[in-house]
Amino acid sequence: QKEVEQDPGPLSVPEGAIVSLNCTYSNSAFQYFMWYRQYSRKGPELLMYTYSSGNKEDGRFTAQVDKSSKYISLFIRDSQPSDSATYLCAMSMNRDDKIIFGKGTRLHILP
Amino acid sequence: DTAVSQTPKYLVTQMGNDKSIKCEQNLGHDTMYWYKQDSKKFLKIMFSYNNKELIINETVPNRFSPKSPDKAHLNLHINSLELGDSAVYFCASSQFGQTEAFFGQGTRLTVV
Repeated sequence: QKEVEQDPGPLSVPEGAIVSLNCTYSNSAFQYFMWYRQYSRKGPELLMYTYSSGNKEDGRFTAQVDKSSKYISLFIRDSQPSDSATYLCAMSMNRDDKIIFGKGTRLHILP
Repeated sequence: DTAVSQTPKYLVTQMGNDKSIKCEQNLGHDTMYWYKQDSKKFLKIMFSYNNKELIINETVPNRFSPKSPDKAHLNLHINSLELGDSAVYFCASSQFGQTEAFFGQGTRLTVV
């Protein structure tokens, strides 16, 4: 079983819809959880960062972590065509530890 | 004002050649990384340096040799390039003790 599992998609949704992106993981020692967004032919950029379980909201984006289920989610409200990108979940055990990435989900927001 | 910059952006070379990729960050971070993203978009860490010292080396062939002349620079030298080395290589940096990493734009390496 891979450490971090993420459905590669592609996921196509109409503009304005709520998008739900998810990852599961196997290592219960992970404590730091991140979502990165990667546009085509660009480097990943940090979108959301969460420590341990709980929710975090930033504008149209909400990150959720459920450590008991080893499941993390990213919700995008009022999705825009500019949100079309690959979204990678990432996690690490400690602040200074290596970051393990999921394979990324390709998201298309249809105008 | 690019935060993490890599050169070159594209690199096409023949099997067996030796090539280098350079990375510089102007964020004042003390930790730098090299990641490899394969054709399936899987992003995997290769090396991590903190204050010019190697702290992570992830089972990478010894044909790959990182060098950090100072904490703002981390270069990657690859000897005897193979077809399987074709990928996008990303440099990243962070502040030690903070998990968030900032990535460069990537170097697309194609070995023919």
